[in-house]
Amino acid sequence: DQQVKQNSPSLSVQEGRISILNCDYTNSMFDYFLWYKKYPAEGPTFLISISSIKDKNEDGRFTVFLNKSAKHLSLHIVPSQPGDSAVYFCAAGATQGGSEKLVFGKGTKLTVNP
Amino acid sequence: AAGVIQSPRHLIKEKRETATLKCYPIPRHDTVYWYQQGPGQDPQFLISFYEKMQSDKGSIPDRFSAQQFSDYHSELNMSSLELGDSALYFCASSLSGLNTEAFFGQGTRLTVV
Repeated sequence: DQQVKQNSPSLSVQEGRISILNCDYTNSMFDYFLWYKKYPAEGPTFLISISSIKDKNEDGRFTVFLNKSAKHLSLHIVPSQPGDSAVYFCAAGATQGGSEKLVFGKGTKLTVNP
Repeated sequence: AAGVIQSPRHLIKEKRETATLKCYPIPRHDTVYWYQQGPGQDPQFLISFYEKMQSDKGSIPDRFSAQQFSDYHSELNMSSLELGDSALYFCASSLSGLNTEAFFGQGTRLTVV
């Protein structure tokens, strides 16, 4: 059972436009969420995170929005650049229950076209 | 800044052989995680260690074992390798305390032939 779902396996946008990557989760115990960016043959690189006590976190061109009632979060990249082309993984964790593992979605491959 | 170091970067083994993957966390990080990513798959959590003790266990086969040593580096031991074990194995480290991001190494690509 996929607890973290990224329903779009791929996304293509034009340079300068906004990229919106979506993520849904099912486990209501999750209370912090992270986005990782991954280039081929490299490990995931941390991008941005958000705690469930917030509904928005912004870092430069990257903004993550969290809708707890809908169990949905999204990553906005504005403006998109060709160097943003990568696979983006959404991950979730639960601070309660003693588990420190992150649960990942399957990833969305973003292609930013010049 | 120092990152998570994994060795080897690439490994080719035959079926039924054993393999050992090593992970050196970021200095002062006390928690290590192992993930397996098969072709076209999302990273699957295998096991984690905090202060040299196993803290969480995921979908790790019984043929695999892992430990964290006194210097906080970790090793993933894989025995009786199967073709299906071919994957990218990522190690991540973090500083204890939840709500902190985990930093990943570049991964070890294991190919079982």
